[in-house]
Amino acid sequence: AQSVAQPEDQVNVAEGNPLTVKCTYSVSGNPYLFWYVQYPNRGLQFLLKYITGDNLVKGSYGFEAEFNKSQTSFHLKKPSALVSDSALYFCAVRDMNRDDKIIFGKGTRLHILP
Amino acid sequence: DAMVIQNPRYQVTQFGKPVTLSCSQTLNHNVMYWYQQKSSQAPKLLFHYYDKDFNNEADTPDNFQSRRPNTSFCFLDIRSPGLGDAAMYLCATSRGDSPNEKLFFGSGTQLSVL
Repeated sequence: AQSVAQPEDQVNVAEGNPLTVKCTYSVSGNPYLFWYVQYPNRGLQFLLKYITGDNLVKGSYGFEAEFNKSQTSFHLKKPSALVSDSALYFCAVRDMNRDDKIIFGKGTRLHILP
Repeated sequence: DAMVIQNPRYQVTQFGKPVTLSCSQTLNHNVMYWYQQKSSQAPKLLFHYYDKDFNNEADTPDNFQSRRPNTSFCFLDIRSPGLGDAAMYLCATSRGDSPNEKLFFGSGTQLSVL
């Protein structure tokens, strides 16, 4: 089965510093990878996706993600963190063996420190 | 703005008392999903509809049922809520079920079981 792993439960970054939220994937075939963000007491919001093409994908709110096939990673990045980026971030993959369902990682809580 | 709307925002029910959560969408999307999310965990897919075709996840308890009377509305019925069913319930939509489709989420209904 396809899966994603987010090795960090929490990431702390000082405001203005670059941030990285890690995600590794395990798929058979071509990966369809996504990042979603969840603010407190809200539903998830789509940030960006990788389907094919350029390994660097740009998304909402200044976020980008780098697809690395050799390392099976899809890390989320932002050059300069804002306090308002503090939220729960989910990496997700389409499970091609389960009718293309989106399978979410367990999430990483990002704290941006003022 | 087109959106996914969930009502109510907070729902309190008693142990064993049936409860219905509702979701509506103005996106005219073909696919509607129900996810269960417990305390900062990954959202877990319960079931989804492609138009009127219902797809139940294998591990979704029989206690959970769903109805989709038309394109815009979808309901989650919990026939006999237990304490373990207390969670955030997220409704989501997508235009289709192709692998590159992103999900649009509502803000969720937080269910408490007393």
